[in-house]
Amino acid sequence: GEDVEQSLFLSVREGDSSVINCTYTDSSSTYLYWYKQEPGAGLQLLTYIFSNMDMKQDQRLTVLLNKKDKHLSLRIADTQTGDSAIYFCAEGTGGYQKVTFGTGTKLQVIP
Amino acid sequence: GAVVSQHPSWVICKSGTSVKIECRSLDFQATTMFWYRQFPKQSLMLMATSNEGSKATYEQGVEKDKFLINHASLTLSTLTVTSAHPEDSSFYICSAREGRLSSYNSPLHFGNGTRLTVT
Repeated sequence: GEDVEQSLFLSVREGDSSVINCTYTDSSSTYLYWYKQEPGAGLQLLTYIFSNMDMKQDQRLTVLLNKKDKHLSLRIADTQTGDSAIYFCAEGTGGYQKVTFGTGTKLQVIP
Repeated sequence: GAVVSQHPSWVICKSGTSVKIECRSLDFQATTMFWYRQFPKQSLMLMATSNEGSKATYEQGVEKDKFLINHASLTLSTLTVTSAHPEDSSFYICSAREGRLSSYNSPLHFGNGTRLTVT
């Protein structure tokens, strides 16, 4: 079955790095995604990683995937107040790439 | 980049009426669109998978007669909440994947969501 878990809350100081963690259970995942949701808005795709990759870096974002432990993390370097939002990890499985979302981690950036 | 437009962004309706939400892929064709529901402070729950030209596939526990989905073209899917009740009040979000079924390289693109309030 599919189950994606995240910690609910993370608080960091502006300029520090943020690390948001996620665990999933479906070993057949093809894609793993990170989405950002600001209050009252839809979801913005931040980045995604193929399941056969270990790491992906995109500007301030670094995604690490440990497929053995089914653990995914998102590191945001030099976190800014504009990064305050809820971050969802998600896994895509199956031919239609059904996506299952985690519970979301609310990131609070303290100026 | 690929854009998914969802309309309306916000709607209030009276109990017993029906509400239609549109999801359009503006600059790409989407064979498959997904409809999600999000409760306050919770994650997204997949309601159904909308396939162009065929019936939608509903997740367990989602009433297909209450949440009517139509995917009449490669750029438009609609969700109609029929005979809405206050418990249907929620944030509904659609998403679309560019390309065909085997597009493993295409991530999901999301609309901005529709906040439905049923009074």
